[in-house]
Formats: sequence, structure tokens, C-alpha cells
Amino acid sequence: GENVEQHPSTLSVQEGDSAVIKCTYSDSASNYFPWYKQELGKRPQLIIDIRSNVGEKKDQRIAVTLNKTAKHFSLHITETQPEDSAVYFCAARGNTNAGKSTFGDGTTLTVKP
Amino acid sequence: GAGVSQSPSNKVTEKGKDVELRCDPISGHTALYWYRQSLGQGLEFLIYFQGNSAPDKSGLPSDRFSAERTGGSVSTLTIQRTQQEDSAVYLCASSLAVRTSGIRNEQFFGPGTRLTVL
Repeated sequence: GENVEQHPSTLSVQEGDSAVIKCTYSDSASNYFPWYKQELGKRPQLIIDIRSNVGEKKDQRIAVTLNKTAKHFSLHITETQPEDSAVYFCAARGNTNAGKSTFGDGTTLTVKP
Repeated sequence: GAGVSQSPSNKVTEKGKDVELRCDPISGHTALYWYRQSLGQGLEFLIYFQGNSAPDKSGLPSDRFSAERTGGSVSTLTIQRTQQEDSAVYLCASSLAVRTSGIRNEQFFGPGTRLTVL
């Protein structure tokens, strides 16, 4: 089945700096790659996603890039703010196993004011 | 419209007792997931239902755990003979049909059930 690895597990940046979180996946047939943000004590919520026919997608301060050849995708947050502090999860949805999505282990991002 | 709901929100039980956790997915969502999340940890996949396909039970940690989904909607996760290590937040998520290009397969998460085994 699909295997998703996420790095780093923790990331600390100064307010205003950029943050980058990277994920790799194993199933070359995977075609949908969402990113979720989970604030302390709350449920994970989608913040951005990308499909396999697109190389990059941007939404204000958040962007995601996808390299299908290398089977990796990354989340980029620019001009970080303290409210960006949370746990971020990447996921990959494969075309096998009835399209089950597999999550990475998460990255705890801390933005210091 | 209504999102994913779970009940109870909190459950405290004694070691050795059985518990049932309920998930009501978003209407029309054919995919349903159960995850377990211990404090400060990631999302541990437990089980996945998709339409009428056989469920993917590969994440269930032991035979004390089981789940069913009746009528393609409501799902119940059952833990028998609970142990202290079962204490965690159990999250349910649902999404639209899969393997359809152009369809966002965002998972919508419920608020979770916090299980404490004494």
C-alpha cells in the first residue's frame, strides 16, 4: 500500500520567516495530495490540496508544489504568523485500495513572535 | 449543512469494559475513516470503509477492535475489554467518492471522542 513520509517532525521559525514541510509518497498512481492543519485541541482541517496534473498551487501565503517524477510534494508558508503554529499533516490518495488516503506523521510548526 | 458528528464526546470507562463509539458522516459521503490520536501524536489509521467494498481493516491494532458501517452511513467502532493504552482521541472522517478525477476528496473530520480507560 501507500507509504507517506513527512519531514521535519518539528519546525520552529521566527515570525515573518518562511516554513517548508516536505512529504514523499510511494505509490506512483496517487493522484490527490491534501494538506491539513490541526490546531491544539481541534480537529484537522484542509488548508490546501493539489492534484497530480498540476505542479504548483498557491493560496495567499500558502503554496504546495508537486514533483511526480520524484514522488514528493511540499507545503510552503511565507510570512509566517503566530497563528500558523499548529500540526500540519500531508496525505496522498492512491488509485488502489478503493482510493484510501494515507497520512504522514505530522509536523509541529511553532512560529515565535 | 451538518458536518461529521461523533458521540459521545467524552467517555471514561474502567479497564476491561467494552465501549462503542459512534460516527455520523456527512450525507452522501461514501468513504469513512476511523483514526486514533494519542496526545501530541499523529493520526493512526484504524479502518476505512468505501461504499460497498470490503473495509480496509489493516490499521486495527488488535482483535479487540472492530467497526461496522450500517446502510453505508452511520459507523460504530467497538473496543472490547478496554486497556489503559486504548486511551486516546478517536477521530472519524468522511469524504466524497474516490477515484474520480477532478473531485476534491477532502476528508471532513468529526470532533472526536476522547476515551479514557482507568
